[in-house]
Amino acid sequence: KNEVEQSPQNLTAQEGEFITINCSYSVGISALHWLQQHPGGGIVSLFMLSSGKKKHGRLIATINIQEKHSSLHITASHPRDSAVYICAVGQDNDMRFGAGTRLTVKP
Amino acid sequence: GAVVSQHPSRVICKSGTSVKIECRSLDFQATTMFWYRQFPKQSLMLMATSNEGSKATYEQGVEKDKFLINHASLTLSTLTVTSAHPEDSSFYICSAKREFSHEQYFGPGTRLTVT
Repeated sequence: KNEVEQSPQNLTAQEGEFITINCSYSVGISALHWLQQHPGGGIVSLFMLSSGKKKHGRLIATINIQEKHSSLHITASHPRDSAVYICAVGQDNDMRFGAGTRLTVKP
Repeated sequence: GAVVSQHPSRVICKSGTSVKIECRSLDFQATTMFWYRQFPKQSLMLMATSNEGSKATYEQGVEKDKFLINHASLTLSTLTVTSAHPEDSSFYICSAKREFSHEQYFGPGTRLTVT
């Protein structure tokens, strides 16, 4: 079993839909990261969480430390949100990555 | 926010040559930099961790003589792929973090193609 599990692996949505991507992990962490990787490959760090909830624009990330689970929500999705979303958990310098969720938002 | 740049963004080289990739933290001092490799449709895999002024720590299976990492200053780390072969073709990504911080800032990546 992978240390970081993401679901779903692939997700197709219509523009405007509310999207949720889940991440479960089995290791102790100091922080959890949500990353966005566009088709060209570049990676953008969306959030770093160690507890609670963060919001940035249409993106919301939550984490439940006790349940070792995090969710990334996208409200009012748009085709430009199409990307691979990666959950990564870190303990000091050791970061473990999920396999990613490929999101396609259709107009 | 913190910005990390990589140069070049794309490089094509011939088999047997060496290629250097630079990773720079533009507005902060990066005491630690990480180099990752990503094969198509796979997740990132850590290659090595470098701390400024000391030798890089390589992950198991990564040849340190092939992938030379230098972190000579608090804003620059370089990865040199020596005697490149087609199987080294990949997407190389660096990230950087400040001392005492858990947050990593990722560079945009460098796509290496070895012909």
